[in-house]
Amino acid sequence: AQKITQTQPGMFVQEKEAVTLDCTYDTSDPSYGLFWYKQPSSGEMIFLIYQGSYDQQNATEGRYSLNFQKARKSANLVISASQLGDSAMYFCAMREGNYGGATNKLIFGTGTLLAVQP
Amino acid sequence: EADIYQTPRYLVIGTGKKITLECSQTMGHDKMYWYQQDPGMELHLIHYSYGVNSTEKGDLSSESTVSRIRTEHFPLTLESARPSHTSQYLCASSDHQSNQPQHFGDGTRLSIL
Repeated sequence: AQKITQTQPGMFVQEKEAVTLDCTYDTSDPSYGLFWYKQPSSGEMIFLIYQGSYDQQNATEGRYSLNFQKARKSANLVISASQLGDSAMYFCAMREGNYGGATNKLIFGTGTLLAVQP
Repeated sequence: EADIYQTPRYLVIGTGKKITLECSQTMGHDKMYWYQQDPGMELHLIHYSYGVNSTEKGDLSSESTVSRIRTEHFPLTLESARPSHTSQYLCASSDHQSNQPQHFGDGTRLSIL
């Protein structure tokens, strides 16, 4: 069965420092996609970054980068130069299938609550 | 900027009432989803749709029902609300391309008294 595991219920980081949020996944499908979302206390879900299972390079998007280690089945999110506005819940999610016909359904992890301290 | 809207944003209502949570998107996405999320917990898929007149139940069993009569509209209905339905409900949509993210609405926080 497909599964996403986030082992860090909460994290603290000092402003301007980098932080890594862990995510491991389990799937038997060779074709899949991994997503990270941010959820502030207001409740909306904000898409941050995407990594496809066949992508050769780690994804980057501004201050966000994804440390994708396929053999270890991990897809950790790295936030560089943390800002106070980064304080939020962060969810890792996986979608099976990278090609046409996929349902695009997502399986979410339990999330990591990040607190950025001044 | 994703254009997906949910109303109401908050709803507090008594047991036994019929409730409809609205979700609309202006992006022309074929695929739409409803998730249920308890405070501080992960999202669970309760319904999804591939397109007009196509709906499927998700991984988490739910007493709610959905309909998809128009591409842009995917309402969720609870025929008789109960306190156990108290939760946040998030609607999302996605393009048919598999590498595109799901875009979420702001959610409806539902409290059943």
